[in-house]
Amino acid sequence: GENVEQHPSTLSVQEGDSAVIKCTYSDSASNYFPWYKQELGKRPQLIIDIRSNVGEKKDQRIAVTLNKTAKHFSLHITETQPEDSAVYFCAASKETSYDKVIFGPGTSLSVIP
Amino acid sequence: SQTIHQWPATLVQPVGSPLSLECTVEGTSNPNLYWYRQAAGRGLQLLFYSVGIGQISSEVPQNLSASRPQDRQFILSSKKLLLSDSGFYLCAWTGNVHEQYFGPGTRLTVT
Repeated sequence: GENVEQHPSTLSVQEGDSAVIKCTYSDSASNYFPWYKQELGKRPQLIIDIRSNVGEKKDQRIAVTLNKTAKHFSLHITETQPEDSAVYFCAASKETSYDKVIFGPGTSLSVIP
Repeated sequence: SQTIHQWPATLVQPVGSPLSLECTVEGTSNPNLYWYRQAAGRGLQLLFYSVGIGQISSEVPQNLSASRPQDRQFILSSKKLLLSDSGFYLCAWTGNVHEQYFGPGTRLTVT
């Protein structure tokens, strides 16, 4: 089955700097890659996703890149702000009617003011 | 728009007691439904998922069970809770576009 690895497990950056979180997946049939942000004590929230027919997607300060050949994808956050501090999860799925979403172990991001 | 509800929000139960957590989805039909558990400071562990009424797939053998009696209702149960069952239980759903959305969660403490 699918396995998703995520690095680093913790990340600390200065406010205004960029943050990058990297994930790899094992199943070449996976074609949908969402990213979730989970603030302390709250539910994970979908922040951006990318499908296999696209190499890069951007939404304001966040962007995701996908390399299907290498089976890895990354989340980029620019101009980080304290409110970006949270745990970020990457995930992968095959977008079939019965497939489940496989999550990475998470990255705890701290943005230091 | 779609909404997902979970209750109760918090629960404190003694070891050996039964458990029933409920999840309902509004504004969509025939969703895929999921139960996850998250231990403190840890990742998301998939427990069960369902693609339709009465169809349950179990990911982790344990003392929990799930049922889907109606299209938009998903229930997580246990006959006897263990200390290790403590955690944050999240229900989630996916629709036709495969984006997964989480409910507000139930924080369970087994004492």
